[in-house]
Amino acid sequence: DQQVKQNSPSLSVQEGRISILNCDYTNSMFDYFLWYKKYPAEGPTFLISISSIKDKNEDGRFTVFLNKSAKHLSLHIVPSQPGDSAVYFCAASAQYPYDYKLSFGAGTTVTVRA
Amino acid sequence: DAGITQSPRHKVTETGTPVTLRCHQTENHRYMYWYRQDPGHGLRLIHYSYGVKDTDKGEVSDGYSVSRSKTEDFLLTLESATSSQTSVYFCAIRPWTSGTSTDTQYFGPGTRLTVL
Repeated sequence: DQQVKQNSPSLSVQEGRISILNCDYTNSMFDYFLWYKKYPAEGPTFLISISSIKDKNEDGRFTVFLNKSAKHLSLHIVPSQPGDSAVYFCAASAQYPYDYKLSFGAGTTVTVRA
Repeated sequence: DAGITQSPRHKVTETGTPVTLRCHQTENHRYMYWYRQDPGHGLRLIHYSYGVKDTDKGEVSDGYSVSRSKTEDFLLTLESATSSQTSVYFCAIRPWTSGTSTDTQYFGPGTRLTVL
């Protein structure tokens, strides 16, 4: 039973426009959320995270929004650049029981068009 | 760079043969993880370790075993490889510094395994 869901397998966006990636979760004990970016033939790289005590975290062109009541988070990339073309994974961890593990979504492939 | 290397980077093997993948880290992190990545499934945890000789199962552990005899090395073994184990395997570490931690994990470059 997948507890973290990324319902959009792919997203195509024009260079310079905003990319919005969505992630839903079912486990109400999740309290820390992360986004990873993955290029082909490379390992995932950490992009940005957010704790459940916040509803927004920003790092340059990347902003993550958390809506705890809806069990939903989103990643905004503004403006989108060709180098942003990659697979993006949403992940979450639970405070209780605290087992040092992450649960991942299936990923969203972003293609930035010139 | 989290100082993680994986070997081999690519391997082709036949059904029924044993295969061992190695993850090596240089920064003495306590927590290490093995994942597999498959289309439509994202990253799924196979096994993880919270110290030398301390390991536990993840969500897709059937057909896999692990060992950690040294802090820096975490080995993943497929005792008898099957075609369903064709996948890309990633190792990850979870840093713990000065009594504080987050749940952020950092990944190695991956091993692409093909079982014919």
